Amino acid sequence: GENVEQHPSTLSVQEGDSAVIKCTYSDSASNYFPWYKQELGKRPQLIIDIRSNVGEKKDQRIAVTLNKTAKHFSLHITETQPEDSAVYFCAARRQRNEKLTFGTGTRLTIIP
Amino acid sequence: DTGVSQDPRHKITKRGQNVTFRCDPISEHNRLYWYRQTLGQGPEFLTYFQNEAQLEKSRLLSDRFSAERPKGSFSTLEIQRTEQGDSAMYLCASSLDSSSSYEQYFGPGTRLTVT
Repeated sequence: GENVEQHPSTLSVQEGDSAVIKCTYSDSASNYFPWYKQELGKRPQLIIDIRSNVGEKKDQRIAVTLNKTAKHFSLHITETQPEDSAVYFCAARRQRNEKLTFGTGTRLTIIP
Repeated sequence: DTGVSQDPRHKITKRGQNVTFRCDPISEHNRLYWYRQTLGQGPEFLTYFQNEAQLEKSRLLSDRFSAERPKGSFSTLEIQRTEQGDSAMYLCASSLDSSSSYEQYFGPGTRLTVT
């Protein structure tokens, strides 16, 4: 089955700097890659996603890049703010399969 | 609130007892998923429904676990003879069967503590 690895497990960034979180996946049939943000005690919320027919997607301060050949994708957050502090999970979904396989999460702390 | 809702939000039970959780998806969503999340880990897939049909079950879902979605709307997840290892957050998610959106919307979860 699919295996998703995520790095780093913790990341501290000065407010205003950029943060990058990386994930790799094992199943070349995966075609959908969402990123979820989970604040303490809250539900995971989708912040951005990308499909395998696209190499990059941006939404304001957040961007995701996908390298299908290398089977890795990354989340980029620019101009970080204190409210960006949370745990971020990447996930992958195999074509014609509904379940999401999640990474182990990255705890991002923005230092004011 | 028109999002995914789950009930109860917290459940403390003694080992060996049965527990049942409920999930109400977003009303027009025909797909419903159950995940389990332990501390410091990402959600792990348990099972999913399309309408009332249970289409996939994870190997994580032992014989003590059963899920239903009898009318294609709300779903229940029952754990029989609970064990301490069942302690986790149980998350429900729903999505619309659409080629334009794959997003799964998560509920707030039910935190189960088995003592």
